Amino acid sequence: EVQLVQSGGGLVQPGGSLRLSCTASGFIFSSYWMTWVRQTPGKGLEWVANIKEDGSEKYYVDSVKGRFTISRDNAKNSLFLQLNSLRAEDMTVYFCARGRGAFDAWGQGTMVTVSS
Amino acid sequence: DIVMTQSPDSLAVSLGERATINCKSSQSVLYSSDNKNYLAWYQQKPGQPPKLFVYWASTRESGVPDRFSGSGSGTDFTLTISTLQAEDVAVYYCQQYYRTPLTFGGGTKVEIK
Repeated sequence: EVQLVQSGGGLVQPGGSLRLSCTASGFIFSSYWMTWVRQTPGKGLEWVANIKEDGSEKYYVDSVKGRFTISRDNAKNSLFLQLNSLRAEDMTVYFCARGRGAFDAWGQGTMVTVSS
Repeated sequence: DIVMTQSPDSLAVSLGERATINCKSSQSVLYSSDNKNYLAWYQQKPGQPPKLFVYWASTRESGVPDRFSGSGSGTDFTLTISTLQAEDVAVYYCQQYYRTPLTFGGGTKVEIK
């Protein structure tokens, strides 16, 4: 069974940092692009970043460029999102997802709260 | 960025009746080299992540009931539920994966009338 289990998230002050993790099982992790998507009640679903199978290509939505970093460790079947310089507008639920285009597996989601 | 516009925002349909959700992209998502529409549909229920239902605009994901069908090409797409069942109550999103940033529609909430 394909599973993506997320961890990390929580409460952080504006300007702070957080690292999100996503551990995959049930498929050959190193054969898939992976993606982070976030969802807010107001803005809906927003693609955040994705990373190629071997980590050689990474793409970001403009609003997080220079602040967020996507990475992966294929030996540990893990995907990461480093969130730096966090702003109030980054406060939302983050999902990891499998794929580059249509996302056929999703993590359970993790909440990031940005507040002083 | 490609803007995805869904209509209606919400839809109330009687059990067993047809539900139709529309999605319009601000640019064509039909890639000429492979003649594929880079368009997906997702279903999301409260407290759950989205679930892929349709990709390439009209290909149903494995396990999705055949009462769900996707159609359209270029900039105009439709997700149809031929006979609404109680378990279909959810929010449905379209998404283009033609180019980054990948973008989603605002969602359509389907309810029982």
